[in-house]
Amino acid sequence: AQSVAQPEDQVNVAEGNPLTVKCTYSVSGNPYLFWYVQYPNRGLQFLLKYITGDNLVKGSYGFEAEFNKSQTSFHLKKPSALVSDSALYFCAVTIGRGSNSGYALNFGKGTSLLVTP
Amino acid sequence: DTAVSQTPKYLVTQMGNDKSIKCEQNLGHDTMYWYKQDSKKFLKIMFSYNNKELIINETVPNRFSPKSPDKAHLNLHINSLELGDSAVYFCASSQARQRGVQETQYFGPGTRLLVL
Repeated sequence: AQSVAQPEDQVNVAEGNPLTVKCTYSVSGNPYLFWYVQYPNRGLQFLLKYITGDNLVKGSYGFEAEFNKSQTSFHLKKPSALVSDSALYFCAVTIGRGSNSGYALNFGKGTSLLVTP
Repeated sequence: DTAVSQTPKYLVTQMGNDKSIKCEQNLGHDTMYWYKQDSKKFLKIMFSYNNKELIINETVPNRFSPKSPDKAHLNLHINSLELGDSAVYFCASSQARQRGVQETQYFGPGTRLLVL
């Protein structure tokens, strides 16, 4: 089964420091991986995705993620954290039914990021 | 200019009632989804529709019935509500996967359902 794991429930980082939110995947075939962010009482906002090509994917709000096939990881990173980055972050992988229809997302449990001033 | 919208935003109701949540997208997408987020923030797919056809139907009680009148709308009807149905329900939409490219899903703001 296609799945992702987020090993950390919470990540704390000081404003201005680099941040990393970890995600590992378990898939058969080529993985299609996503990161979403959820601010309190809001919906999910798309940050970035890896389909194929360059292992370093750049996304919204200065975030990027590195696809590492040997370590089966897709960690989310940002060089300099902002207090406003504090939110719940979800890694996800697509799961499908072998057709060209839209594929659903299988989400990790989420990692709460807290950036302190 | 809302992309994916849901109504209502909040829904408080008694056990045993029947309720509906509506979802509309103006992105021109042909695939729509319902996800459930429980109290621990865990997100799980419930249904997926492509061009009004049910594609994915995960292990969801029969009390939940999606209905897609057209490509832009996917409603969720819940019969005989139970306490355990309390959750946040998210609608999402995307283009269908084409030529192996997985299109991005865009989510609505969620409907917070509380069953008393």
